[in-house]
Amino acid sequence: SQQGEEDPQALSIQEGENATMNCSYKTSINNLQWYRQNSGRGLVHLILIRSNEREKHSGRLRVTLDTSKKSSSLLITASRAADTASYFCATDADSGGYQKVTFGTGTKLQVIP
Amino acid sequence: DSGVTQTPKHLITATGQRVTLRCSPRSGDLSVYWYQQSLDQGLQFLIQYYNGEERAKGNILERFSAQQFPDLHSELNLSSLELGDSALYFCASSGGVQETQYFGPGTRLLVL
Repeated sequence: SQQGEEDPQALSIQEGENATMNCSYKTSINNLQWYRQNSGRGLVHLILIRSNEREKHSGRLRVTLDTSKKSSSLLITASRAADTASYFCATDADSGGYQKVTFGTGTKLQVIP
Repeated sequence: DSGVTQTPKHLITATGQRVTLRCSPRSGDLSVYWYQQSLDQGLQFLIQYYNGEERAKGNILERFSAQQFPDLHSELNLSSLELGDSALYFCASSGGVQETQYFGPGTRLLVL
């Protein structure tokens, strides 16, 4: 699997339900970020979690990070139709003295009203 | 509105041509990143500049080049265009090198 791989690839839920997306990565990271993208639009930053943090909250979003398992999860609670979008995780890691950001393949979330 | 602007919004050109995409970062941001998003490759990191200097390189082809100017705006030059270069090209900016990236609306390139 590639660095920053999301699971599931697609998710369809009813409005009001919770949506959970997972991201796995391969190398040690400095931080991990989650982004959201509406079809054909730019990415919108949701939340950043640093490698020394385990959990972070922002509104209806909850992100966890398990560096021992090299995985992160994004939970959206009480989903709304407007949450329909693709969600990407991005890992920030040192690579040959430089910083390298790698995006995953994304999870397509559909929230049905 | 992220504060990052990109021009043009759409670009249609022919194979073999050369185009320049422009990005203005958020006010005060020193880092600029370029990404390519195509249907089959997902979002690919191309290159990063920090305060005018190249900071990181990703999957950028030799036909592509970029630079960041003293006023911190950046340009991505794509030459000898091929059909497979058709994609959305995003620019993002951040204050430093390990900070939140703010994305522009993208330039949609279509190579015919």
